[in-house]
Amino acid sequence: QVQLVESGGGLVKPGGSLRLSCAASGFTFSDYYMSWVRQAPGKGLEWVSYISRSSSYAKYADSVEGRITISRDDAKNLLFLQINSLGVEDTAVYYCTRLTVPGWSDLWGQGTLVTVSS
Amino acid sequence: DFQMTQSPSSLSASVGDRVTITCRASQGIGDHLAWFQQKPGKVPKLLIYAASTLQSGVPSRFTGSGFGTDFTLTISGLQPEDVATYYCQRYTTAPRTFGQGTQVEIK
Repeated sequence: QVQLVESGGGLVKPGGSLRLSCAASGFTFSDYYMSWVRQAPGKGLEWVSYISRSSSYAKYADSVEGRITISRDDAKNLLFLQINSLGVEDTAVYYCTRLTVPGWSDLWGQGTLVTVSS
Repeated sequence: DFQMTQSPSSLSASVGDRVTITCRASQGIGDHLAWFQQKPGKVPKLLIYAASTLQSGVPSRFTGSGFGTDFTLTISGLQPEDVATYYCQRYTTAPRTFGQGTQVEIK
């Protein structure tokens, strides 16, 4: 079954850190660019980051640059998002998505909720 | 900064109506635009890519058009199951910005 399953979300205090994971199955993970998209409660979609095949390069939204690191483990079919210095503005559902070669997201996970609160 | 501006932010239409949503890019993006549908409480779903190509399995009442800076998503014959928020997104170049979304409701 082709799917993405995120995990690692939860309640974190401001200033804390979190590492999100996304487990891919049913397709050749290493063939695809991957990305993270987030959605704050009641708000729209916000692109966060993407990573190329073989982790050759990554891009980040200006809003998270310097605080977030995307990475992947192709041997384990896992995508990661390390978020540091969490602020209340990072409260959101974080979606993992698979990117086609031209670049659109054709597969989405169910999302994992990150809540930043004291 | 690159921006994608969607309009309207919300609309209400009757079943069977033709509905049009527009998306404007702050600079030309060719046809590198996708449209997504997000039903309440659900995960976004790809509708259209390359500005006008319908994703497999998406009803033909959905059509996309445009090139460069101006794009449209049209629903020809609105159905109750089309109640959702629709987002445009440019891809291939960072930042892969989404539009603000258009909430579609049934009148």
